[in-house]
Amino acid sequence: DVVMTQSPLSLPVTLGQPASISCRSSQSLVYSDGNTYLNWFQQRPGQSPRRLIYKVSNRDSGVPDRFSGSGSGTDFTLKISRVEAEDVGVYYCMQGTHWLTFGGGTKVEIK
Amino acid sequence: EMQLVESGGGLVKPGGSLRLSCAASGFTFSNAWMSWVRQASGKGLEWVGRIKRKIDGGTTDYAAPVKGRFTISRDDSKNTLYLQMNSLKTEDTAVYYCVTESNGGPDYWGQGTLVTVSS
Repeated sequence: DVVMTQSPLSLPVTLGQPASISCRSSQSLVYSDGNTYLNWFQQRPGQSPRRLIYKVSNRDSGVPDRFSGSGSGTDFTLKISRVEAEDVGVYYCMQGTHWLTFGGGTKVEIK
Repeated sequence: EMQLVESGGGLVKPGGSLRLSCAASGFTFSNAWMSWVRQASGKGLEWVGRIKRKIDGGTTDYAAPVKGRFTISRDDSKNTLYLQMNSLKTEDTAVYYCVTESNGGPDYWGQGTLVTVSS
């Protein structure tokens, strides 16, 4: 099974400042079709998860452009350019190349 | 507007069975790959399994912890997804989400239904 490892577990951030979350997979996420199926999700308190990013760097509809994804192979990053209060929650990476596996989550909170 | 509404959750004893349903609307259900994802209280997300659309074979895949105990099915005439859960264990206690899949992952999520396995 592919293991997804996120860091940090907790990320205290100042409003208006950038934030970055790392995600590493135990094997390459490049699929035979050439795509890399790495997704990022946001789960606000008390809500269902919401996908932010698919295939490493593509924003889902309605996702603010302060969210961006990057990376390749086994190393990936989600960046928030300027954190807003509504960004508080838990963020998960997830790979869809070898079945589906989620990372353990990163809790983003305001300092 | 896309909607996924799960139902059927509740309290069941270890070893018991439960069937969850997910009513879909606002999109062409028969064209969608569908999955179930669960989340134990205060814990992370865990993929349970998926069913492909019939044109792709309608086949199912399951995560190791539920393989052989859970069965996913779909009724495209009713726009409904099912999760039959047998031989339930206490560790199956979680909120179960019905999700659509696209671009290699879940893109739209229901509100979830709580399953509690306890004696």
